[in-house]
Amino acid sequence: EAGVAQSPRYKIIEKRQSVAFWCNPISGHATLYWYQQILGQGPKLLIQFQNNGVVDDSQLPKDRFSAERLKGVDSTLKIQPAKLEDSAVYLCASSFLRQGRGERELFFGEGSRLTVL
Amino acid sequence: AQRVTQPEKLLSVFKGAPVELKCNYSYSGSPELFWYVQYSRQRLQLLLRHISRESIKGFTADLNKGETSFHLKKPFAQEEDSAMYYCALSTSGTYKYIFGTGTRLKVLA
Repeated sequence: EAGVAQSPRYKIIEKRQSVAFWCNPISGHATLYWYQQILGQGPKLLIQFQNNGVVDDSQLPKDRFSAERLKGVDSTLKIQPAKLEDSAVYLCASSFLRQGRGERELFFGEGSRLTVL
Repeated sequence: AQRVTQPEKLLSVFKGAPVELKCNYSYSGSPELFWYVQYSRQRLQLLLRHISRESIKGFTADLNKGETSFHLKKPFAQEEDSAMYYCALSTSGTYKYIFGTGTRLKVLA
């Protein structure tokens, strides 16, 4: 089974520039998450999709961050314009839907490391 | 507000010694708790979940609702256990996952 794919793995940009990250979840996984992990901190949820609908984007800085999941499969996360504090690893994760209160394992991608200079 | 607290950033133990990584949570609903692990140069992956009540790689964790804790334990640490460990809370209904700040475990020879 192929895992969660992310690209690019590394990106270096200057502040005020824009950047986009791409995620391809595991086939059949309805739920997709974007996390931001700043060095020394745990993953922080930015946005959660269920198919192509947004479940939670309460911690997404909407003045500069946007995300979409067209057709309920691939997703892109965009930052425009970037700030120095956006330097982090952006993790994509997916999980499949289980009926009722069940176990849901998150499968993570390798992450996209962003450095803003 | 939902929160996961891991008080130790770094835990160093000698090989063969017992290990306990602490995790406390704050959530008013019925929680699902998980431990995720990240080995060097690998992606974050599930180690174990409270609902399964299983032992993985010798690790166990018991959910204590009274103390709102989900500590990870292993009786005899191995060098290959050296990694970053994250405790995570999943909320009921929306299946939102909240992670702690992580504990780096170093097992010394």
